[in-house]
Amino acid sequence: NAGVTQTPKFRVLKTGQSMTLLCAQDMNHEYMYWYRQDPGMGLRLIHYSVGEGTTAKGEVPDGYNVSRLKKQNFLLGLESAAPSQTSVYFCASSYTDRGGYTFGSGTRLTVV
Amino acid sequence: DAKTTQPNSMESNEEEPVHLPCNHSTISGTDYIHWYRQLPSQGPEYVIHGLTSNVNNRMASLAIAEDRKSSTLILHRATLRDAAVYYCILRGGGTSYGKLTFGQGTILTVHP
Repeated sequence: NAGVTQTPKFRVLKTGQSMTLLCAQDMNHEYMYWYRQDPGMGLRLIHYSVGEGTTAKGEVPDGYNVSRLKKQNFLLGLESAAPSQTSVYFCASSYTDRGGYTFGSGTRLTVV
Repeated sequence: DAKTTQPNSMESNEEEPVHLPCNHSTISGTDYIHWYRQLPSQGPEYVIHGLTSNVNNRMASLAIAEDRKSSTLILHRATLRDAAVYYCILRGGGTSYGKLTFGQGTILTVHP
């Protein structure tokens, strides 16, 4: 099983550019999440989804949008990238709202 | 927000048991205790989780104090592959849905 796959793995953006990060899971999980990991700050929840067609805001949603048109995919969009969005982004999924999370390998994004 | 406290580092010898402690004195009644581990440039890997009772799986055991203010991750026979940063995480429920409150993590070194 592939588990959770994130694309791309690395990206450099210029300030003001837009991009979409793709997360795909093949485990039939209902719940999907986008986090960012910054030094000394652990993982912070950006947005999450409790099922196909649903999305909700997490702790740090500003500057990001998400969509879950298909159960297996969860897209994270940056409409106008800012240097403060330089981070490592992790997608995760879980079968239930109480179970363990399966994480992807991350996307390292640098905004210059 | 509920926080966790872990030792910065621990060392073990291969094939010996390892007990990784975590304090979470401000845990709320809806918080699940999750443990993840992370290698450099990789996403967190789920290890185990629990709410009130001790838990066992193929990777480890989780011992939760009766007052839930502390827990211990037990690796029964450490291997070199277990060397990683271990995070004790409180997984929020209720209005804190999906929120992962990270401790600073424990760097586990396993000696051959």
